[in-house]
Amino acid sequence: AQKITQTQPGMFVQEKEAVTLDCTYDTSDPSYGLFWYKQPSSGEMIFLIYQGSYDQQNATEGRYSLNFQKARKSANLVISASQLGDSAMYFCAMREPIEDNAGNMLTFGGGTRLMVKP
Amino acid sequence: EAGVAQSPRYKIIEKRQSVAFWCNPISGHATLYWYQQILGQGPKLLIQFQNNGVVDDSQLPKDRFSAERLKGVDSTLKIQPAKLEDSAVYLCASSFMPSGSSYNEQFFGPGTRLTVL
Repeated sequence: AQKITQTQPGMFVQEKEAVTLDCTYDTSDPSYGLFWYKQPSSGEMIFLIYQGSYDQQNATEGRYSLNFQKARKSANLVISASQLGDSAMYFCAMREPIEDNAGNMLTFGGGTRLMVKP
Repeated sequence: EAGVAQSPRYKIIEKRQSVAFWCNPISGHATLYWYQQILGQGPKLLIQFQNNGVVDDSQLPKDRFSAERLKGVDSTLKIQPAKLEDSAVYLCASSFMPSGSSYNEQFFGPGTRLTVL
């Protein structure tokens, strides 16, 4: 079963407007973390924001904020005041324990391509 | 601070040939990861090392893929023999914190784009 689901293959947003990228996850572990990464056409994955499962407040980093709804198992990324440079693929990822508690691993969703229109 | 370095950036080979990718993580980073990213998909973890020990390689196709991290620094990922379905971008990432940490930001390299003909 898919552990991380991003239902929007592609999204358009007008420059300077806000946009929400959806992410739902599935885990039975009470301790987990959620990450968002940006992947521009150059291919490098750029870390944007992190939310821990026990964090009481939604994470914010500059123009990025995470709308964390634990009961609904969703962790949507909100980008405010979109810029042309925000055009890229965006991936949601979940940290979860490896079997035997040897460590943690990241599982990525399929991504959403965001295109910012001038 | 230098980022994660990978080489080569691009590689084209024919099926059944061998190929190797190299990764140099950020200095001082204990944990190193190799991911495979097929076009149109998110990255999939192949193997992760903590220092020079393997933490998890459950998703590594061990009949053809191998990886090592000598001296706990640089790492190589090898495919032998390559198949058409191995065409993908191979991403290397590193993190300062050990794999078991609750917060473990990973820093990614630019990737190696492999095309198998």
